[in-house]
Amino acid sequence: RKEVEQDPGPFNVPEGATVAFNCTYSNSASQSFFWYRQDCRKEPKLLMSVYSSGNEDGRFTAQLNRASQYISLLIRDSKLSDSATYLCVVNGRGGTSYDKVIFGPGTSLSVIP
Amino acid sequence: DVKVTQSSRYLVKRTGEKVFLECVQDMDHENMFWYRQDPGLGLRLIYFSYDVKMKEKGDIPEGYSVSREKKERFSLILESASTNQTSMYLCASSYSVSNQPQHFGDGTRLSIL
Repeated sequence: RKEVEQDPGPFNVPEGATVAFNCTYSNSASQSFFWYRQDCRKEPKLLMSVYSSGNEDGRFTAQLNRASQYISLLIRDSKLSDSATYLCVVNGRGGTSYDKVIFGPGTSLSVIP
Repeated sequence: DVKVTQSSRYLVKRTGEKVFLECVQDMDHENMFWYRQDPGLGLRLIYFSYDVKMKEKGDIPEGYSVSREKKERFSLILESASTNQTSMYLCASSYSVSNQPQHFGDGTRLSIL
C-alpha cells in the first residue's frame, strides 16, 4: 500500500457544484496534514492545513478522520478558477532521523462552464 | 509572506555538463528541500537539509548533490547532466519538518539535450 493515496481523477464538474476529494494515508503516527493546489506548470501552493477538529476557509472545508486514516477536502460552489490539481500532504514520523513529508500524487479537478 | 526564489525559470544544458540550481528563502527557515516533478510520478524528494552544512538523501539522490553553506541558500548540483534529468525542479522551505507546511519556489524547468 502506498503511503499516501489519492484518486487521480480527473473530476469534471459544472460550475456551482460541490465536489469532495479524499486522501488516505498508511502511517497512523502521522501528525500534520495539508492540502495544496497546483496549477498547470506552476508550483504547489498551500491551500489549507487540516486540523483534528476540521477547518473551513470560505468555500473550502478540510476534515481529518484519524480512525480511518484519511483526510478530505470539500469545495462548495465550484468556480472555474478552482480547476487545478489538489495534493494532500502528510507529515509524520518516518522512523529515521527526520520526520517524513509525503506528497500524494494529486487529484485533478476541472470545473466546466 | 514567505519568499522562495529559484535562480532560473527555464534552463537548457547539454549532456555531461555540471549544472547548478540555486534556491534562496527569506524566512529564516531551518529546512530546505529539493524535489523533481515528472508527469505521472508526482513530487519526488531528491535531498533536503535541516541545518547549515547538513543534508539528508531523499528518495532519488542518485546523480545529484547539494550544498548548504548559508541558512538561506540551498543549491542542487547535477554532477554530470543526463537526459533523464530533464524535469521540473522545485525548491521548498519550512520552519519545521513535522508540523509546518512547505513553501515552494516557482520551479526550474530544466532540459538536458
